[in-house]
Amino acid sequence: AQTVTQSQPEMSVQEAETVTLSCTYDTSESDYYLFWYKQPPSRQMILVIRQEAYKQQNATENRFSVNFQKAAKSFSLKISDSQLGDAAMYFCAYRNNFGNEKLTFGTGTRLTIIP
Amino acid sequence: EPEVTQTPSHQVTQMGQEVILRCVPISNHLYFYWYRQILGQKVEFLVSFYNNEISEKSEIFDDQFSVERPDGSNFTLKIRSTKLEDSAMYFCASKAVSYEQYFGPGTRLTVT
Repeated sequence: AQTVTQSQPEMSVQEAETVTLSCTYDTSESDYYLFWYKQPPSRQMILVIRQEAYKQQNATENRFSVNFQKAAKSFSLKISDSQLGDAAMYFCAYRNNFGNEKLTFGTGTRLTIIP
Repeated sequence: EPEVTQTPSHQVTQMGQEVILRCVPISNHLYFYWYRQILGQKVEFLVSFYNNEISEKSEIFDDQFSVERPDGSNFTLKIRSTKLEDSAMYFCASKAVSYEQYFGPGTRLTVT
């Protein structure tokens, strides 16, 4: 079974600075996707960024980028120019690229932005 | 932009009562999911549904749970006899083939 581990329960960053959230995962599969979801206080789950395992290039979405290290099974999220609206829980998630493609989530990192 | 909707946003029920949580997936999506998040914990997979049948369920999804797509648009999760530990946020998600899962806003279930 696949597992996702987020070892940082809480992180904080000064507004406009850069922060990196860590995630590691375990799988025996070679074809899969990794995601970061943001959960603000409203508790809505919002997709931030996606990475296909077969792609070597790291995904980027505006101020959000990932560092995907397939051999190390590491998938960190970098948030540049942090904004107050980035404050939320961030969940790393994994899914296989076959079958019903259910998501397996990590335990989350609570990110606080310091004005 | 199309979105997944869920009703009610908050449901309070007494232990032992039946509850039905409702979801309207995005119209052209084919895969449907329910996830659960106990307060302060991670999001956990409950069940996936495709082609009018359950494709996978977790160990959480026991005989007290059932899902249904009664009319081609709604997707429901029923808990037959609620327990205190069923208190959680329940998320519905849907996806088309080869695209991402889109989550609804969730239903907060409180069992007293």
